[in-house]
Amino acid sequence: QVQLVQSGPEVKKPGASVKVSCKASGYTFTSYGFSWVRQAPGQGLQWMGWISSYNNNTKYAEKFQGRVTMTTDTSTSTAYMELRSLRSDDTAVYYCGRGKWYIDNWGQGTLVTVSS
Amino acid sequence: QSALTQPASVSGSPGQSITISCTGTSSDVGGYNYVSWYQQHPGKAPKLMIYDVINRPSGVSNRFSGSKSGNTASLTISGLQAEDEADYYCYSYTSSTTLVVFGTGTKVTVL
Repeated sequence: QVQLVQSGPEVKKPGASVKVSCKASGYTFTSYGFSWVRQAPGQGLQWMGWISSYNNNTKYAEKFQGRVTMTTDTSTSTAYMELRSLRSDDTAVYYCGRGKWYIDNWGQGTLVTVSS
Repeated sequence: QSALTQPASVSGSPGQSITISCTGTSSDVGGYNYVSWYQQHPGKAPKLMIYDVINRPSGVSNRFSGSKSGNTASLTISGLQAEDEADYYCYSYTSSTTLVVFGTGTKVTVL
């Protein structure tokens, strides 16, 4: 069955970077792209961007342009999301998901806490 | 790109039907059949309930159904059960620079 397993929780200081991984299994990795979504405490879902696992084309939300980089590694069937220049309001659970127009499988989420 | 508009909360008694609306514009919900719905229980990852407006993934109860009229999409839960108590989000393609957008979210309470 399809599984997306994300890396563990992170604690970062303001100004630092974080890189979250999402390892996929149970399907042909290059057949689906990945969406990244975050959820701040008590808030709704926020789309961050999408990457094609086939050709690494990306589309980022304007809010994160210049601060986020999404990549994939087909040799390990893993997608990555790096967010730089972290601020306290970047504290959130970050989710990877399979798909673009709809997300049919989700990772378990990675809590990123930004605190001095 | 603003989020799609959903009611903050909807409630119903067990066995009743409820409908959650998701209002956008002709640039997103109204213009394309790329609306999906997600259920999220506290502390859990979202789960796909409906895609492409009306389609239900394998394993999702047929008590969940989707529809669209103009710029508003809807998720209907029939035969409401205690386990349906959760947050629900709509999600749509948009022709704006954003590509896709989530709804504001709706908390469903089973009375």
